[in-house]
Amino acid sequence: QSALTQPASVSGSPGQSITISCTGTSSDVGGYNYVSWYQQHPGKAPKLMIYDVSKRPSGVSNRFSGSKSGNTASLTISGLQAEDEADYYCCSYAGSSTLVFGGGTKLTVL
Amino acid sequence: QVQLVQSGAEVKKPGSSVKVSCKASGGTFSSYAISWVRQAPGQGLEWMGGIIPIFGTANYAQKFQGRVTITADESTSTAYMELSSLRSEDTAVYYCARALAGAAAGTCGYWGQGTLVTVSS
Repeated sequence: QSALTQPASVSGSPGQSITISCTGTSSDVGGYNYVSWYQQHPGKAPKLMIYDVSKRPSGVSNRFSGSKSGNTASLTISGLQAEDEADYYCCSYAGSSTLVFGGGTKLTVL
Repeated sequence: QVQLVQSGAEVKKPGSSVKVSCKASGGTFSSYAISWVRQAPGQGLEWMGGIIPIFGTANYAQKFQGRVTITADESTSTAYMELSSLRSEDTAVYYCARALAGAAAGTCGYWGQGTLVTVSS
């Protein structure tokens, strides 16, 4: 169960769009449509932003979207806002009732 | 509204054990998976294991097999995570999280506030 691979950091200006990738294997990301994404602000608990690859929980802005191709999942944030600056983590089902997280990506809004 | 309230911060000696609780309110406790996720200082999230209370059997990340025990008490809507043979590297914030209705079982839709466990001699 190796951690999923995410870029350490991404940045963008207000109003722009950014995409965070999450690369796994055919045993996790590629094998199931069960990828979720979490936003975490400093000192706070994570918050679910996307689940089942592309679904948004109630209350999450439609500026957040998710997709998957092969062993790589992606989170796109459009119309970047200052409040989007946070750490983002992907998570995938990995079989046998186990989960695996990505290493996390720090998003900086310039 | 689902709420998860965790027990308070702990300071433990190396080699000892710690047991963290997570009490759920709102919604149905027994039918949804509870996961335990930890975060070492300045590090990322790490899934430790999970349980669906109605089934009672826990599943663990390979890294923690043999050292972690996750249980659930349906009568009090409380889940527990016990980690043994503590070492300094286990210093972290430990979170419980409950699955989101209608999502895959392991989707962490609701989170506790976190419990800081410090391992120090």
